Amino acid sequence: QQQVKQSPQSLIVQKGGISIINCAYENTAFDYFPWYQQFPGKGPALLIAIRPDVSEKKEGRFTISFNKSAKQFSLHIMDSQPGDSATYFCAAEGGNDMRFGAGTRLTVKP
Amino acid sequence: EPEVTQTPSHQVTQMGQEVILRCVPISNHLYFYWYRQILGQKVEFLVSFYNNEISEKSEIFDDQFSVERPDGSNFTLKIRSTKLEDSAMYFCASSYMNTEAFFGQGTRLTVV
Repeated sequence: QQQVKQSPQSLIVQKGGISIINCAYENTAFDYFPWYQQFPGKGPALLIAIRPDVSEKKEGRFTISFNKSAKQFSLHIMDSQPGDSATYFCAAEGGNDMRFGAGTRLTVKP
Repeated sequence: EPEVTQTPSHQVTQMGQEVILRCVPISNHLYFYWYRQILGQKVEFLVSFYNNEISEKSEIFDDQFSVERPDGSNFTLKIRSTKLEDSAMYFCASSYMNTEAFFGQGTRLTVV
């Protein structure tokens, strides 16, 4: 059973464009929703996270939108840059359970 | 800045052999996790550990896997009899409470 579903699997965006990655979760006990960025050969690193008491969180060019009733959340990367090219994982966490989405490989073309 | 450290960075082992992957979580963290990732694919949850016991485990974490926190600082993952399909990157992570998890750099396990 896939607890966190992520789409798309891969995404190609032109420099300056907007990258959007979507996730949906099933377990209503999840109450912390981080996004991780992973570069080849490295471990995932936290990019931005949100709790369900707010519908949006923005940090620089990165924004999480959260829809609690739909159990969905998304990552928006504004003004995408080639240095943003990486794999992005959404995750959902509750208590001592943290599950990841399948990942989105983002390529930003110059 | 505190970090999670994993050793070794790369381990090659014969099929059927036992391996122990080691992790030193951040010192004041309370939750510990192991994940694996096969060739840049999805990050798969294996197990979480809290208060000196397993709190959650996935269907991947079968009887050949075990975890231990032997001395209050190290957190180990043991695979008793490795299979070819166990070849993957194994990531350890830790978190203080229900907050950001910090990941180690991973151990690349190659079973031959």
